Amino acid sequence: EAGVAQSPRYKIIEKRQSVAFWCNPISGHATLYWYQQILGQGPKLLIQFQNNGVVDDSQLPKDRFSAERLKGVDSTLKIQPAKLEDSAVYLCASSLTGGGYGYTFGSGTRLTVV
Amino acid sequence: AQSVTQLGSHVSVSEGALVLLRCNYSSSVPPYLFWYVQYPNQGLQLLLKYTSAATLVKGINGFEAEFKKSETSFHLTKPSAHMSDAAEYFCAVSPSYNTDKLIFGTGTRLQVFP
Repeated sequence: EAGVAQSPRYKIIEKRQSVAFWCNPISGHATLYWYQQILGQGPKLLIQFQNNGVVDDSQLPKDRFSAERLKGVDSTLKIQPAKLEDSAVYLCASSLTGGGYGYTFGSGTRLTVV
Repeated sequence: AQSVTQLGSHVSVSEGALVLLRCNYSSSVPPYLFWYVQYPNQGLQLLLKYTSAATLVKGINGFEAEFKKSETSFHLTKPSAHMSDAAEYFCAVSPSYNTDKLIFGTGTRLQVFP
């Protein structure tokens, strides 16, 4: 089966600019996640979607981050305006619903804010 | 709140030696525990998962992990390291049966020397 697709792979922007990341999950996976992985740390959940509804966005900095999954398939994550501390790898993952399955991760987008 | 602690941010072994990567979870028994591997510039790949069916869990690439409630541990082992095992390894916990959210440890980088 095709994996989780993410684009772009790399992005360099200046602080205060905006940026968007795209994710297409595995076909049939109802649940989609965005994780932030700062260098030297484990991934941290930003937002979880179940189909096109938000399940958990408690750790999403809503003043600058937004995400949507309009048709319950692909998703975009936006940062506006970006800060230096947003430099990280943004990982998208998808899973079957029900817990305990584990995720399938995409290769991630490495964001550098200068 | 559930959490995992990975002891040792870096582990170095010789090719053919035993690999032991340590993971301890917080005192309440989590429903699910996972080990993921991350190769450079790639997303995370599921190695194995514990879902209470068996305490000794076998995963891909010859890895296995044993759930020990008395020690609140879920250490990852491999009898004989291969050069291709060099990567970052993450332990993760799903905090409840009602969510697919994963909480990751800070990771352990495994180096394998010839």
